[in-house]
Amino acid sequence: GQQLNQSPQSMFIQEGEDVSMNCTSSSIFNTWLWYKQDPGEGPVLLIALYKAGELTSNGRLTAQFGITRKDSFLNISASIPSDVGIYFCAGGMDSSYKLIFGSGTRLLVRP
Amino acid sequence: GAVVSQHPSRVICKSGTSVKIECRSLDFQATTMFWYRQFPKQSLMLMATSNEGSKATYEQGVEKDKFLINHASLTLSTLTVTSAHPEDSSFYICSASPGRQETQYFGPGTRLLVL
Repeated sequence: GQQLNQSPQSMFIQEGEDVSMNCTSSSIFNTWLWYKQDPGEGPVLLIALYKAGELTSNGRLTAQFGITRKDSFLNISASIPSDVGIYFCAGGMDSSYKLIFGSGTRLLVRP
Repeated sequence: GAVVSQHPSRVICKSGTSVKIECRSLDFQATTMFWYRQFPKQSLMLMATSNEGSKATYEQGVEKDKFLINHASLTLSTLTVTSAHPEDSSFYICSASPGRQETQYFGPGTRLLVL
């Protein structure tokens, strides 16, 4: 079945640093979504990408839909302690609206 | 906008009982709703896809008679875990799609503990 490879698995950074994480796949996706999940909560949508090559920002977050449609990255600039959480990428590829999720990137920010 | 609620947020039950979890889209109509299960430190595992007024489509390995899904309206889907056992203890999360491409909005999750 389809799989998404998300990396890195975890990151422990200093407050103020920039962060980058990405997802790759051998399959082509029509949609790339990035979510953040806090402990004991459901994932919250951060950025949605619908076109190959699209670059979208949401505050300090920037994400891009790879031109090959097989990858996406998420950047967080000037990290702050509340950025702590697990970030998931998700790819959508057909009219069933199903998503394939990456394994997640656990981000820890040292004040 | 795009708020999804889930109830209850956590439930503890005895083995053998059934538990119903509700998922509601509060400010939009959801053509499709999804039910996921998440184990600690793991990603989300899709259990089933439900469309309003039709039978749910279950993922491979998910028992449809154990996890009953009803999607009676465009804003409500329910998941009933029948005859729950300790191995059913998990974090269950629903999501709803307004039909705008593949975007899904998630509920806050329900923590189920079966004793």
